[in-house]
Amino acid sequence: QVQLMQSGAEVTKPGASIRVSCRASGYTFTGFFLYWVRQAPGQGLEWMGRLNPTSGDTTYAQRFQGRVSMTRDTSISTAYMDLSGLRSDDTAVYYCATEMDYNAYWGQGTRVTVSS
Amino acid sequence: FTLTQPHSVSESPGKTVTISCTRDSGNIDSYYVQWSQQRPGGSPTTVIYQDSLRPSGVADRFSGSIDSSSNSASLTISGLRTEDEADYYCQSYDSNTWVFGGGTKLTVL
Repeated sequence: QVQLMQSGAEVTKPGASIRVSCRASGYTFTGFFLYWVRQAPGQGLEWMGRLNPTSGDTTYAQRFQGRVSMTRDTSISTAYMDLSGLRSDDTAVYYCATEMDYNAYWGQGTRVTVSS
Repeated sequence: FTLTQPHSVSESPGKTVTISCTRDSGNIDSYYVQWSQQRPGGSPTTVIYQDSLRPSGVADRFSGSIDSSSNSASLTISGLRTEDEADYYCQSYDSNTWVFGGGTKLTVL
């Protein structure tokens, strides 16, 4: 079955950077786009961008342009999301997801807390 | 474009509830609409995809539809159970991007 296993929770300071990983199993990693979505406390879902695991091509939401980078290591079926210049309002749960025939599968989420 | 959902709905067990998702510009049938369920503390899971299809394992109490006249999508849950209490999000596409509705909190009381 499709599984997306994310890295553990992180606590970090304003101005720092984080890397969240997402290891895929149960399907062909390079066959489907990989998406990143975040959810601030008590808020809705916010799309951050997508990665083509085959080519490495990316599309980012405009509000994250310049701060986000999505990459992958196909040898270990793992995608990464780097976010820099962290602010307190980046505190959120970050999800990776993939989609097959428009049916989305989600990771368990990674809680990131930005606090001084 | 934006997708607008009611902030909250509530209904009694055994009843039927419908959650709407209205697109403000462009046609709702331009791209597929998906619906996700998110229980407290959990990750989203898909309950409807391609407007009206149910993933394997999702109860047939869940159904989805599109209404071009109102430019909206709907998620209908029949025979409500307490386990259906969750947040529900509609999602569609704007070219290469995902667009989410603001989410609807369903209370089953």
